[in-house]
Amino acid sequence: QVQLVQSGAEVKKPGASVKVSCKASGYTLTSYYMHWVRQAPGQGLEWMGAIIPSGGGTIYAQNLQGRVSMARDTSTSTVYMELSSLRSEDTAVYYCAREQGGVAAPKKSFDYWGQGTLVTVSS
Amino acid sequence: QSALTQPASVSGSPGQSITISCTGTSSDVGGYNYVSWYQQHPGKAPKLMIYDVSNRPSGVSNRFSGSKSGNTASLTISGLQAEDEADYYCSSYTISSTPLYVFGTGTKVTVL
Repeated sequence: QVQLVQSGAEVKKPGASVKVSCKASGYTLTSYYMHWVRQAPGQGLEWMGAIIPSGGGTIYAQNLQGRVSMARDTSTSTVYMELSSLRSEDTAVYYCAREQGGVAAPKKSFDYWGQGTLVTVSS
Repeated sequence: QSALTQPASVSGSPGQSITISCTGTSSDVGGYNYVSWYQQHPGKAPKLMIYDVSNRPSGVSNRFSGSKSGNTASLTISGLQAEDEADYYCSSYTISSTPLYVFGTGTKVTVL
């Protein structure tokens, strides 16, 4: 069965960077786009960006450009999201989410989600 | 890109039907049939309930249905059950610029 398993919670100081991993199993990583979505405490969902695991191409939300980067390791079926220059407002649960339908017929919706990784930014 | 507008809360008694609205613009909800809905229980990851406005993934109860008219999409839950109590978020694809996906403000559904 499809599973996305994320790395554990992180506590970082303002200005530091954090790297969250998302290991996929039960399907071929390169066949589906992977997205990252975050949720600040008590708040709604925010789309951060996406990666095309087959070629490594990425697209990021404009408000995070320059601070966010996404990468993948096809040998371990793992995608990564790194956020730099952390500020208190980056405190959130970060989710990886697979786009339904595959690269051949993307459905613009997210059918499998990781369990979430809490990133706390505090001095 | 602003978040899509949802009511903060909706409530209903067991067995009743409720509808959650999701209002966007012609650049997102009104421009594409790529509206999806997610259910989120406290401390859990979101779960896809509806995609492409009105399609249900396998395994999702047929008590959940979706529709769209102009710039407003709707999620209807019929035969409300206790386990439906959760937060619900709509989402739409938008090609106007990044972000490519915009989410709704979220609606807390309470089963009375």
